[in-house]
Amino acid sequence: NAGVTQTPKFQVLKTGQSMTLQCAQDMNHNSMYWYRQDPGMGLRLIYYSASEGTTDKGEVPNGYNVSRLNKREFSLRLESAAPSQTSVYFCASIPRTGMNNEQFFGPGTRLTVL
Amino acid sequence: LAKTTQPISMDSYEGQEVNITCSHNNIATNDYITWYQQFPSQGPRFIIQGYKTKVTNEVASLFIPADRKSSTLSLPRVSLSDTAVYYCLVGPAGGSYIPTFGRGTSLIVHP
Repeated sequence: NAGVTQTPKFQVLKTGQSMTLQCAQDMNHNSMYWYRQDPGMGLRLIYYSASEGTTDKGEVPNGYNVSRLNKREFSLRLESAAPSQTSVYFCASIPRTGMNNEQFFGPGTRLTVL
Repeated sequence: LAKTTQPISMDSYEGQEVNITCSHNNIATNDYITWYQQFPSQGPRFIIQGYKTKVTNEVASLFIPADRKSSTLSLPRVSLSDTAVYYCLVGPAGGSYIPTFGRGTSLIVHP
């Protein structure tokens, strides 16, 4: 199992450009999450998908959109990138079965917006 | 959602036991306590989860008192490689869980 994979690993954008961050998991997990982490800070939830076909806003959704393409894939889109969106983005998943809250994280995407 | 409070930073030395305490005064009856470890430039990694009393695995122990208003992550005999940020999360297992990470505790282990 590859676990949670994210592409790309690094990206530099100019202000106003758009891009999509891809995330996929091969563990048959029901719930998926997108976080951003700024230097010296904890992770802040952007959007999440509790199950296939549903998405909900997290703590910091402005400037982002998401798509739960199928059970495996959950993408994050920046329609018009801003310097304030410079951050490291992590995707995660949880099985949502039983009493286990263990989140599995991807390696992250380091995004710089100039 | 139960709010958690942890120390911002801690220092220790190799071979010592480290205890990191997390306060969660408004924990709900169906909430579990979960701890994660994060190294620089990596995503967080699950360490341990518990509901009450004591849980132990090959990496750490988690102590939860009867009132469940706090919990303590115990790392036995730390090494330099345990230098990381440790996060305490509280929430219900299952469909209603929305994980919320605070700033965590930055642990630095010295030689």
